[in-house]
This record gives sequence, C-alpha cells and structure tokens, in this order.
Amino acid sequence: AQKVTQAQTEISVVEKEDVTLDCVYETRDTTYYLFWYKQPPSGELVFLIRRNSFDEQNEISGRYSWNFQKSTSSFNFTITASQVVDSAVYFCAPGGRAGNNRKLIWGLGTSLAVNP
Amino acid sequence: DTGVSQDPRHKITKRGQNVTFRCDPISEHNRLYWYRQTLGQGPEFLTYFQNEAQLEKSRLLSDRFSAERPKGSFSTLEIQRTEQGDSAMYLCASSLSGRGTEAFFGQGTRLTVV
Repeated sequence: AQKVTQAQTEISVVEKEDVTLDCVYETRDTTYYLFWYKQPPSGELVFLIRRNSFDEQNEISGRYSWNFQKSTSSFNFTITASQVVDSAVYFCAPGGRAGNNRKLIWGLGTSLAVNP
Repeated sequence: DTGVSQDPRHKITKRGQNVTFRCDPISEHNRLYWYRQTLGQGPEFLTYFQNEAQLEKSRLLSDRFSAERPKGSFSTLEIQRTEQGDSAMYLCASSLSGRGTEAFFGQGTRLTVV
C-alpha cells in the first residue's frame, strides 16, 4: 500500500534552534515526486519544496534544506534557525509518477511549535 | 491575481440542507482540485478538473456531492442533504498542468453541520 509516515506528531523548539522533520514513505512507483507543504493556523496549505525521485541531490533554499534518500524511502526536511512564524503543521506528500496532485499521499503531518 | 480564493470561509448548516462552495483558482491554472480535511488529518482528494472537464472523482465523493467547473475558471462544490459526517474543511487548489507542478491552495471553507 502507498502511504507516508511522519512519526513526529508534535515538535516544540525554541526560536533559533534547527529542527528536522522526518518523513518515510512507501510507493509502488519507481519514479515519483515528493513535496513538503506547510499549513499555518490560517489553514492555507503552502508549498515549500519539491523533489523528483531520480535526482537525489540534496539542496538548501534559504533556511530550508532537505535530505532525500531513495534507498531508505526517506525525505526529511530541516529548518535552520527556526522562527516563531515557522509554527505550523508540516505535511510530507509523495506523489505518483505523473506528479499530479490528485495522486498525492498525505500523512497526518507534524505540528511544529516554535517558541520565543 | 492574489491566489486561490474560496467562499464562504465558514458555513454552518442544519442537517439535511444543501450547501454550495465556490473556488476561484489562479487565473492561468488549468487544473483545479477539491480536497476535504478533518481535524488532525491530512487532506483527502475528492475530485479534479482539467479545464472544464472533471477527470477524476474519489470514491469518497458520494452521490450527494457534485462539483462543476463550467467555463474552466471558477468551480463549485455542492453537498446535498448534508450529514454531520460532512463537517470538515473543504480545500480547493489549482496548478498548471505538467509533471511535478505544485498546487496552490485556498484558505478553505469550514463546514459545520449541526
């Protein structure tokens, strides 16, 4: 079965700490896309990053970085120097080969609280 | 264009009533999606349009649910004979076509059926 596991239900950090959100997924597809979205208290899901399965190069974008390991089906997301505005629920969402959003698999998310 | 907008933001209705939600996607986006999200869960896919064509419907979408996108622009989601189990956040998203394109979400319509 295709599914995503975000083992951390809730994380609480103090501002300026680095925080890593874990994501492990199962998929039948050999090529696929992986997304991270953020859902702040306002409710609007906000796209953060995207990675395709055939490119395992890890990248940094501002305070965000991600570590994709196809061999272990993990796609972890790190926020460096966290800020209070980073407080939100974060969803890892793997998708099918077509990369179409209707095929995204959504987990339960990780609720991140960044305290001043 | 400021993003995906949904109307209303909140709706309280009595069981058995019909409700209709509207979604205005980003203007150049030809794909439009409806999701449902309950507390503590991730979004669940309901249906998807490419332009005005409804290409896929989830099994979650019972006969009481119908969605339209008549001119390939805005979309409506109607729920007939609402039940308490329909209480949820209904999210609309839009995207360009193409592999791996990210979706842009609206702020959702929170439905409460009493």
